[in-house]
Amino acid sequence: QQQVKQSPQSLIVQKGGIPIINCAYENTAFDYFPWYQQFPGKGPALLIAIRPDVSEKKEGRFTISFNKSAKQFSLHIMDSQPGDSATYFCAALLVNRDDKIIFGKGTRLHILP
Amino acid sequence: SQTIHQWPATLVQPVGSPLSLECTVEGTSNPNLYWYRQAAGRGLQLLFYSVGIGQISSEVPQNLSASRPQDRQFILSSKKLLLSDSGFYLCAWSSQPNTEAFFGQGTRLTVV
Repeated sequence: QQQVKQSPQSLIVQKGGIPIINCAYENTAFDYFPWYQQFPGKGPALLIAIRPDVSEKKEGRFTISFNKSAKQFSLHIMDSQPGDSATYFCAALLVNRDDKIIFGKGTRLHILP
Repeated sequence: SQTIHQWPATLVQPVGSPLSLECTVEGTSNPNLYWYRQAAGRGLQLLFYSVGIGQISSEVPQNLSASRPQDRQFILSSKKLLLSDSGFYLCAWSSQPNTEAFFGQGTRLTVV
C-alpha cells in the first residue's frame, strides 16, 4: 500500500513530441505528489509538484495531470527537447508528517534530436 | 536559502576499508535527513532516514550505518566495505510542511 508504481521504465520520443510518464498509488492518505528530474551523475532535482485537490498543474513545458478517483497522476512534457533527456521520478508523501517519501522506480527518457 | 553539501563527489576504496560520507544542510533547522543509494540506471533505494538528532531508522539491513551527531549533519559509515557497496550515494533533506526532498549532488563510490 506504500508503493508508487511508475511506467514506462524507459521512453524514447522524437524532438517536439509529448512524452507521458504515469504513476499510480494505493494509499489514499498521500496528499502531495512531487516529480524529480535527474541528469547522469547528478542528484535528483525537484521539478514540479501537485496536491490532490488540483486536477492539473503547469510549469513551463511541464504539466502534471492528477486523477484522484483513479489514484493516478502523470507528467507530460510539451515540445520536448534533447535537453529534457533524463531520468524522471514520481513520488508521494504525507504533508506535515515526519514520514519517508515514497518514490517510483524512475523512467529513463531519451529525446531524439 | 537552504543548501545541502555532500562530499566527496567521487571515492575509490579497497574492499575491507572503512567508509565515511558526510552531508550537511544549511539554512534550515530540524530537517528530516535521508541517505539513498542508486545502482547504475536504477531507482532510489532508501538506506536510512532521520527525523532528529540520534534518531535513525534503517530501511535495509546491510553493511552500512548512519549517524546524526548534529541537527544538520548526517554521516554514512561502514567498518569494512564490500564490492556490493559500490554505487551512487545521495543525501537528501526535507522539512515540514511539504516535506518534499531536496538532494545533494551525490557521491560515486567504487569499491575495488
